[in-house]
Amino acid sequence: DSGVTQTPKHLITATGQRVTLRCSPRSGDLSVYWYQQSLDQGLQFLIQYYNGEERAKGNILERFSAQQFPDLHSELNLSSLELGDSALYFCASSDLDTQYFGPGTRLTVL
Amino acid sequence: KNEVEQSPQNLTAQEGEFITINCSYSVGISALHWLQQHPGGGIVSLFMLSSGKKKHGRLIATINIQEKHSSLHITASHPRDSAVYICAGREGNTPLVFGKGTRLSVIA
Repeated sequence: DSGVTQTPKHLITATGQRVTLRCSPRSGDLSVYWYQQSLDQGLQFLIQYYNGEERAKGNILERFSAQQFPDLHSELNLSSLELGDSALYFCASSDLDTQYFGPGTRLTVL
Repeated sequence: KNEVEQSPQNLTAQEGEFITINCSYSVGISALHWLQQHPGGGIVSLFMLSSGKKKHGRLIATINIQEKHSSLHITASHPRDSAVYICAGREGNTPLVFGKGTRLSVIA
């Protein structure tokens, strides 16, 4: 158990819908990273927050947004969902060297 | 071309064999990570390397910064080592760039 929690574990929804994925980092970790893993693309970095502030942005679509709250949990919002958004979404938190991954949310868009 | 390349893509080994997975990168990297993704999907960080060699149990990771190459070795492989192994690099505090992974199956 990495200490990082993600909810929900599975999410099935329809095209055009909006969903929110939630992540709680390990106690004491200030950084949260979001990653997308699809079958054809592998793991891709989406966005990083550090202590409530956006720190780095990767290949994140404009339909996606994220935030980190004062209690350090983070939410990833995906809107106007398309079939191609079906993927595993991981969050991770880190100390200086190591990233600790949550169990992931499997999103299926039908 | 991916900035981080892994080989082989798939690997099948007999229990007890010595296994090597390779990772080459074309960008400047100050730290390289090896991750293990279990069949259920969970990801575990195995090593973070910036130079030399690290060992944990039956796993050994090496990196050659000048040659932009890292290897992950598994000694005395076991079916429970079956997983996808992913290398990822970063320069300073930039985000991780991932390889596409090596799928390892160890047969008893």
